[in-house]
Amino acid sequence: AQSVAQPEDQVNVAEGNPLTVKCTYSVSGNPYLFWYVQYPNRGLQFLLKYITGDNLVKGSYGFEAEFNKSQTSFHLKKPSALVSDSALYFCAVRDRSAGGGNKLTFGTGTQLKVEL
Amino acid sequence: DTGVSQDPRHKITKRGQNVTFRCDPISEHNRLYWYRQTLGQGPEFLTYFQNEAQLEKSRLLSDRFSAERPKGSFSTLEIQRTEQGDSAMYLCASSSTGASGLTDTQYFGPGTRLTVL
Repeated sequence: AQSVAQPEDQVNVAEGNPLTVKCTYSVSGNPYLFWYVQYPNRGLQFLLKYITGDNLVKGSYGFEAEFNKSQTSFHLKKPSALVSDSALYFCAVRDRSAGGGNKLTFGTGTQLKVEL
Repeated sequence: DTGVSQDPRHKITKRGQNVTFRCDPISEHNRLYWYRQTLGQGPEFLTYFQNEAQLEKSRLLSDRFSAERPKGSFSTLEIQRTEQGDSAMYLCASSSTGASGLTDTQYFGPGTRLTVL
């Protein structure tokens, strides 16, 4: 079974400050990892993914995430937050093993609030 | 490049009625997924198609739910005898199997919000 934990329901940060949204995962095999963002009454928008290779993944809108296998984490980061980054962020995992299927398993989401 | 589209965007129905939702994937995508999202939760996987074949179904997909993708293009999700617990956002996603063999990215539509009274 695969699972994702996002330990913070909400993260507050001042505009211009760095932000981190935390994610840890559990899979039986090796993971594929994803971050999506959701704006109110909208579907999910893809930000970035980790498949293999460099542990630091760069994505859309200046976001990046670092894969840490020993800590089973994939935290989302941005060096300088914008008010427009305020949204709901979801981490997702897919098991790379043959029996893992193609489904994504999502965390419960972290509401990011960036204030002036 | 148009994205994934879903119709309708909102549906209000009475308990016991049947409802059907449609999803049109990105045109070149051969994989299509349905997820359900309730308030305060992340999306939960329901089912997955590769072309017209339904390859995976979640235990969440009770016998009141049925999904089809008859020609490997658009898909429909039908819920029979709706219950209040079916109220949720139903999300569709599509992806393409790449030649590199690396995992494909799922792109989501705007969702259909179902309210069962």
